[in-house]
Amino acid sequence: EIVLTQSPGTLSLSPGERATLSCRASQSVSNSYLAWYQQKPGQAPRLLIYGASSRATGIPDRFSGSGSGTDFTLTISRLEPEDFAVYYCQQYGSSPWTFGQGTKVEIK
Amino acid sequence: EVQLVESGGDLVQPGGSLRLSCAASGFTFSTYWMSWVRQAPGKGLEWVASVKEDGSEKYYVDSVKGRFTISRDNAQNSLYLQMNSLRAEDTAVYYCARFRGWHLGGYFDYWGQGTLVTVSS
Repeated sequence: EIVLTQSPGTLSLSPGERATLSCRASQSVSNSYLAWYQQKPGQAPRLLIYGASSRATGIPDRFSGSGSGTDFTLTISRLEPEDFAVYYCQQYGSSPWTFGQGTKVEIK
Repeated sequence: EVQLVESGGDLVQPGGSLRLSCAASGFTFSTYWMSWVRQAPGKGLEWVASVKEDGSEKYYVDSVKGRFTISRDNAQNSLYLQMNSLRAEDTAVYYCARFRGWHLGGYFDYWGQGTLVTVSS
């Protein structure tokens, strides 16, 4: 089973700042099969990125994903008030498909 | 607009059974794999099970194999999760999700709002 470790656990930033979230895999994720999700309190997760760098339908271009192998990054170029949430990465290169433990982006 | 609406969550005793349902609309249900993903209170996400478009292939996380059964009714645009021999560690919000992938892997592009299953005496 591939274990995904996200860092930091919590990121305290102000609106307008840049957010950089990391997701590290315990072994290489084949074909960069890595997705990112956003979850707000009391809501279902929302797909942001798939294939490590492809934005899902309707996702603003301030969200971008990069990486390959074992190291992946989600970048939010300029934080909007609605971006403060928990973010999860998920690998789908090897069954079982696993999620990271999440990074909370909070308002500083 | 894609909509997924779960139902069936409840409080159940350890060892008991429960059947979750998910009503899908806004897309051609029979042409997509579907999945269940759960989230224990205050915890992260865990993939539980996935089923192929025609129901002929089903995949489960090890912790639920032999206890949970995923199924679908394409005529009713519905997804199900039969949960037997429930344990305290199965307590979670269960999400129905559309799965973009196949047996080798995939991601979840639309999610329902979830239904809460609590296993406790």
